[in-house]
Amino acid sequence: ILNVEQSPQSLHVQEGDSTNFTCSFPSSNFYALHWYRWETAKSPEALFVMTLNGDEKKKGRISATLNTKEGYSYLYIKGSQPEDSATYLCAPVVAGGTSYGKLTFGQGTILTVHP
Amino acid sequence: DADVTQTPRNRITKTGKRIMLECSQTKGHDRMYWYRQDPGLGLRLIYYSFDVKDINKGEISDGYSVSRQAQAKFSLSLESAIPNQTALYFCATSGGTAPNSGANVLTFGAGSRLTVL
Repeated sequence: ILNVEQSPQSLHVQEGDSTNFTCSFPSSNFYALHWYRWETAKSPEALFVMTLNGDEKKKGRISATLNTKEGYSYLYIKGSQPEDSATYLCAPVVAGGTSYGKLTFGQGTILTVHP
Repeated sequence: DADVTQTPRNRITKTGKRIMLECSQTKGHDRMYWYRQDPGLGLRLIYYSFDVKDINKGEISDGYSVSRQAQAKFSLSLESAIPNQTALYFCATSGGTAPNSGANVLTFGAGSRLTVL
């Protein structure tokens, strides 16, 4: 089983604050790293797919960076809004054995943005 | 209509009963997955299928079985449900074949909430 760690497990911020959280994963046999946002009572939705070391992706106020050599990715939210409240999930794709080509999710970071 | 449809959306059943959760998709994707969500544990993979003839166990397959009836249909069965199988179950699909392809992004269904008493 792939070891994927997300930190912190939960985060409470005030509206307007900027925040960031981390996804750590094994750096060997790496292919890609997915980020998903999961709002309460909805289905998880993809934010980013990142493949190259040093990749940086941006969607509105949300951005992500990737370090494949050390095995981590950061997700940043600038000027958090209450609608950003959700669970943020990361999932690496690695090669080898039965893990090839499938996603293994971290436990998620639960973000709550207070008005 | 949703790209990935799960039925039922909610089900309450008793210990020992057989339950089937169904998933159908209109995305034309070859790859389909069943995940289970428990509070604090994220999404854990139960079974996955990369095409109609390919079925693979995930991290937590014990107590579950699956059937890939067609490219568009992937069902999950609990042969004899037990209370610790109470969870939210998600079906998902993806279209990529190369592991670093952006087409590997998952499209999720709305989820099936199962309660086993």
